[in-house]
Parts: sequence; C-alpha cells; structure tokens
Amino acid sequence: GAGVSQSPSNKVTEKGKDVELRCDPISGHTALYWYRQSLGQGLEFLIYFQGNSAPDKSGLPSDRFSAERTGGSVSTLTIQRTQQEDSAVYLCASTLVASYSYEQYFGPGTRLTVT
Amino acid sequence: AQTVTQSQPEMSVQEAETVTLSCTYDTSESNYYLFWYKQPPSRQMILVIRQEAYKQQNATENRFSVNFQKAAKSFSLKISDSQLGDTAMYFCALNANAGNNRKLIWGLGTSLAVNP
Repeated sequence: GAGVSQSPSNKVTEKGKDVELRCDPISGHTALYWYRQSLGQGLEFLIYFQGNSAPDKSGLPSDRFSAERTGGSVSTLTIQRTQQEDSAVYLCASTLVASYSYEQYFGPGTRLTVT
Repeated sequence: AQTVTQSQPEMSVQEAETVTLSCTYDTSESNYYLFWYKQPPSRQMILVIRQEAYKQQNATENRFSVNFQKAAKSFSLKISDSQLGDTAMYFCALNANAGNNRKLIWGLGTSLAVNP
C-alpha cells in the first residue's frame, strides 16, 4: 500500500512569509508525528497526534509553529513569519496504534529554505 | 527520564567488512521496543531492525543483526559484508510504552561511510 507522503518536497520562502507543509499518513494509522531535522543533525520532536486525543505540542519551538490534523488523517504544519533558523527538513511519521511496538513509518520530508 | 545515547558521531568501514554501531539507553519500564533506523542521503528514514525487550534472542535481518544486552542496557547494530548502499545516518530509538504517550526517544545518530 501507499506509504506516508509529504508535500511539497522542497519549499523556498522569503523571511517573514507563512508556509504550510502537508503530511498524508498511511491509511489506518491514527498516530502522526512531526519532526524537524537540521542539516546533519538528529530528529527534533515537534508535535504528536493520536486519534481524538489532544495533541502533544510540547516540542513546538515557538508560537509561530502550529499543526492541525483534519478528519484524523491529513496533517498540516504551519510556520508563520518564517525565520532563517526555521530552515530544515521537516519529517512526518505515522504509526498503527494497534501495533504494540509503535514503529514509525516516515515520509520523504519537506526541505524548507528560508532566504 | 528515558534516554538514548549513541556515542559514535561518525564511523567508516571498508566495503565487505563488518562494522558495529553502539547504542545505550535508559528506561525504568519492564517492556519496551528498540529500533535502528537508517537515513541515506536521500533522507528517507527506513526501519532496519526492531527488538522487543522480552525476547532474549537477538533480532536479525539479512546482513543486519543486533547485540541486545538488557542488563547493560546496550543495543548495538552489526552490519556484515558492508555495501556502498549502507552509507547513511543510523539512528537508535526506544519505545518504552510509558502510558498513553507513545513517542519514540531518539539518539543523535551515527554517520556511517562505507568506502570502496
């Protein structure tokens, strides 16, 4: 079946503009995660959705970052008034909740460049 | 607090040789899963291998195997017969099933270069 998809693959934006990044998880996966990865670095957790529960937003770096998940499926990560330090790869992952291991399946990421 | 530590930021190996990547972790949970993920230059994160803490037998997937030492809280990855395509960042991760919060705890990664 189809894996996790993300769009756009690459995004270049000017400082101060807003951007929206999209994630389409694997069908049936009710848990969804967003991560940020700077060049050559590890994964920085941003936000986690599970079913109808309130999302875990503990990783969002500032109030310029927000995310929503509509209908328990597609998620959008929005960054307002982008700054150069927001430049990174944004990864989305999803998990089958019934899977005890909570193994995460990743999308290909969106590379965001803020000029 | 649960932690995952990868003490080798960078490693290299000659093609066809064997290399071992280290990972140590800490958790107070009795059952948990450990994972190794691979991220090649294409940046697609791929699961390499998983290990359930209750299982004493070390997991194996083709050329990839783990050495799981539960008492020592160590989970190393061995890559045999290294291939150029194994060049990637390797991340160790822990899922300790703590309550309803099912986030993975990630190490900082090891960059592996396989040289011809």
